[in-house]
Amino acid sequence: GNSVTQMEGPVTLSEEAFLTINCTYTATGYPSLFWYVQYPGEGLQLLLKATKADDKGSNKGFEATYRKETTSFHLEKGSVQVSDSAVYFCALSDRAAGNQFYFGTGTSLTVIP
Amino acid sequence: EAQVTQNPRYLITVTGKKLTVTCSQNMNHEYMSWYRQDPGLGLRQIYYSMNVEVTDKGDVPEGYKVSRKEKRNFPLILESPSPNQTSLYFCASSLLGQNEAFFGQGTRLTVV
Repeated sequence: GNSVTQMEGPVTLSEEAFLTINCTYTATGYPSLFWYVQYPGEGLQLLLKATKADDKGSNKGFEATYRKETTSFHLEKGSVQVSDSAVYFCALSDRAAGNQFYFGTGTSLTVIP
Repeated sequence: EAQVTQNPRYLITVTGKKLTVTCSQNMNHEYMSWYRQDPGLGLRQIYYSMNVEVTDKGDVPEGYKVSRKEKRNFPLILESPSPNQTSLYFCASSLLGQNEAFFGQGTRLTVV
């Protein structure tokens, strides 16, 4: 079946530190992969996505590369800011399973000045 | 502005009192779904709908009902809420065949 496993949190970093949040997946078909971000008190917003192997998604300084060989989609940012404090969700969507999304448990990130 | 709108944002209710959480989207999306978010469990799908009058169970449908009489609306109904349904609920929509989903702001439900 389909599932997503992501790094447990919470994660606390100093401003300008390097961020990695690990995400691995299992899928029966050819999924698209996503990172969603949830700021305090808000809904989920799409941060970036990749629809096929070796694609790199990027947005707001965040990047993630779809690695089929390691079934991974790790989120990285070179220099985090206080405004990046949020909960990050890795997700997959497999068209063979309709439009259903499978989410990881979320990783809470706090960036301190 | 393209959006998914949920109401209410916050709700406190008592066990057994029927309630409805509304969800509306203005993007003409075929696919709509409901998720609940619980600490340590991430988001889990409750129900989904691939078009008008077409609904199906997700991973955690017990205790919930939905209807899809119009394309834009997908209400979530709790006929007899219980405390274990205390959670944060999200509605989402997308075009069929397009993976990107758009989420509402969430409804925080407390059942006492």
